[in-house]
Amino acid sequence: GQQLNQSPQSMFIQEGEDVSMNCTSSSIFNTWLWYKQDPGEGPVLLIALYKAGELTSNGRLTAQFGITRKDSFLNISASIPSDVGIYFCAGAYGGATNKLIFGTGTLLAVQP
Amino acid sequence: DVKVTQSSRYLVKRTGEKVFLECVQDMDHENMFWYRQDPGLGLRLIYFSYDVKMKEKGDIPEGYSVSREKKERFSLILESASTNQTSMYLCASRDSYYGYTFGSGTRLTVV
Repeated sequence: GQQLNQSPQSMFIQEGEDVSMNCTSSSIFNTWLWYKQDPGEGPVLLIALYKAGELTSNGRLTAQFGITRKDSFLNISASIPSDVGIYFCAGAYGGATNKLIFGTGTLLAVQP
Repeated sequence: DVKVTQSSRYLVKRTGEKVFLECVQDMDHENMFWYRQDPGLGLRLIYFSYDVKMKEKGDIPEGYSVSREKKERFSLILESASTNQTSMYLCASRDSYYGYTFGSGTRLTVV
């Protein structure tokens, strides 16, 4: 099955730094989603994007649906220790099945 | 809030055992999913179900089966556990068009 290419694979940053990660696909998606997984928990939805070019914020998080519909970006500003976790992108084609395809994940570590 | 509950957080099983992973959701959702999570591979879909007694294969169904006898419960079955099935297993219930609610996961070790 298809997987999304997500980069970077891991990031180790200082508290207060900004973070950027991205996700690319060989296929066009109708929806892009970003999830965060805290250690020992399941992923939780952060941001959903439904239109090419769309830019959406959730607090210090901002995500964009790429114009080509084959990529998406997530930025975290002024990182804090509780941002630690694994961030996953996910894409959906739409249609009857509406299955999500997940990226490989970005592990974020924030040093106080 | 929607709750998706996975019965075990940690399991250790022997090679060749039949293993049952249970998942229960409390919001009457029709769609439920089983994923497997491995480092560097993200989440891969094993099986999903659109309704009671209905199931469809995901991307990596080999070595697994599922059961959905009641709407709230979706079980993943490893017919004969093998060491390459050591992984984190995540159950999800779909609570909106694209919104998935995940359980906390079951970390399975096959020895």
